Amino acid sequence: QKEVEQNSGPLSVPEGAIASLNCTYSDRGSQSFFWYRQYSGKSPELIMSIYSNGDKEDGRFTAQLNKASQYVSLLIRDSQPSDSATYLCAVRGTGFQKLVFGTGTRLLVSP
Amino acid sequence: GAVVSQHPSWVICKSGTSVKIECRSLDFQATTMFWYRQFPKQSLMLMATSNEGSKATYEQGVEKDKFLINHASLTLSTLTVTSAHPEDSSFYICSARERHQNTEAFFGQGTRLTVV
Repeated sequence: QKEVEQNSGPLSVPEGAIASLNCTYSDRGSQSFFWYRQYSGKSPELIMSIYSNGDKEDGRFTAQLNKASQYVSLLIRDSQPSDSATYLCAVRGTGFQKLVFGTGTRLLVSP
Repeated sequence: GAVVSQHPSWVICKSGTSVKIECRSLDFQATTMFWYRQFPKQSLMLMATSNEGSKATYEQGVEKDKFLINHASLTLSTLTVTSAHPEDSSFYICSARERHQNTEAFFGQGTRLTVV
């Protein structure tokens, strides 16, 4: 089992819709969770971080964490074509310095 | 926001030669730097963690004699790919973290290495 799993996609949504991206992780002791956006040929940029159960909102983005289910998601409201990218879920477990990345979900927002 | 500058952004080299990649934190002190490698359609794989003034910690399966990492100052880390081979062709990305910061929020632009 991979440490961090994501559906590779592509996830296709029309402009203006809500895009829902999901991620599961295997280390039950994980404490820190992050969503990064990566455009093709570019390095990742941090979108959201979340550390406790529940929802965290930042503009059009909402991160949701459920530690009991070992599940973290990212919702993008009012999706725009410029949101088309690969979204990487990253998790830091207990006692570790490093982040473990999922393989990413490719999002395509059509005009 | 904080800026991490990585150079060069792309490089083509002949098989058997060495290539040095630089990663600089421009406006903060990077006590820890991380080097990742990303193959096409794959995720970022951590190669090594570098703390200023000490030897890098390499991940399992990464040859420390092939991928030389130097973190001589709080603003500069270098990765040297020695005796490069075509299978080393990849996208190399560094990230930097300040003391007490919880995440590698600041990534360099990445270096596309092609070994011919």
